[in-house]
Amino acid sequence: DTGVSQNPRHKITKRGQNVTFRCDPISEHNRLYWYRQTLGQGPEFLTYFQNEAQLEKSRLLSDRFSAERPKGSFSTLEIQRTEQGDSAMYLCASSTQGAHEQYFGPGTRLTVT
Amino acid sequence: AQSVSQHNHHVILSEAASLELGCNYSYGGTVNLFWYVQYPGQHLQLLLKYFSGDPLVKGIKGFEAEFIKSKFSFNLRKPSVQWSDTAEYFCAVIPGYNTNAGKSTFGDGTTLTVKP
Repeated sequence: DTGVSQNPRHKITKRGQNVTFRCDPISEHNRLYWYRQTLGQGPEFLTYFQNEAQLEKSRLLSDRFSAERPKGSFSTLEIQRTEQGDSAMYLCASSTQGAHEQYFGPGTRLTVT
Repeated sequence: AQSVSQHNHHVILSEAASLELGCNYSYGGTVNLFWYVQYPGQHLQLLLKYFSGDPLVKGIKGFEAEFIKSKFSFNLRKPSVQWSDTAEYFCAVIPGYNTNAGKSTFGDGTTLTVKP
């Protein structure tokens, strides 16, 4: 399968713990996006990368959230000191530059207890 | 800030009925417009897109959408729905003024249930 992959698919953590998610984009895509989706809402933009550069970051992304794409391939999203409000589906997508249509992964469902 | 509004949260149709899902956006400049679909248990996938040119665009599985600039709308249509069209549908917009722009704004989605 050459689509976008995300790991883990599900994560249950206790409040206050740190979690890290990984996204592997389609190999020839140089853009990578992170979104958060809660029940009954559409995906909310968090941040995106072009190659290894983080070009835009939403105000939704508090200082507890950090994303990296060190070699311009896979990306990680870390949430420090998780809160119950962080419970959501975290989606990753990738695209080629300028094409704009994004290919989504299956998401990582985070539950903070 | 740009926003996307999908007026119908849940639509229930019988097979062979016609479908129209509304999408309005608030952004005054050039836009790229998308409809994504999420079938039960699957991830989001692109249904169709509009960048420029003919405002009536055709997508997969018999779907089409019409961009009406004066109404800031991009409604999705299908003349005859099938049970397999049961899914959640999301409208999204990316400003088109800058090829480096990547931030998508999504609507909250419309759940379509098609009764056999």
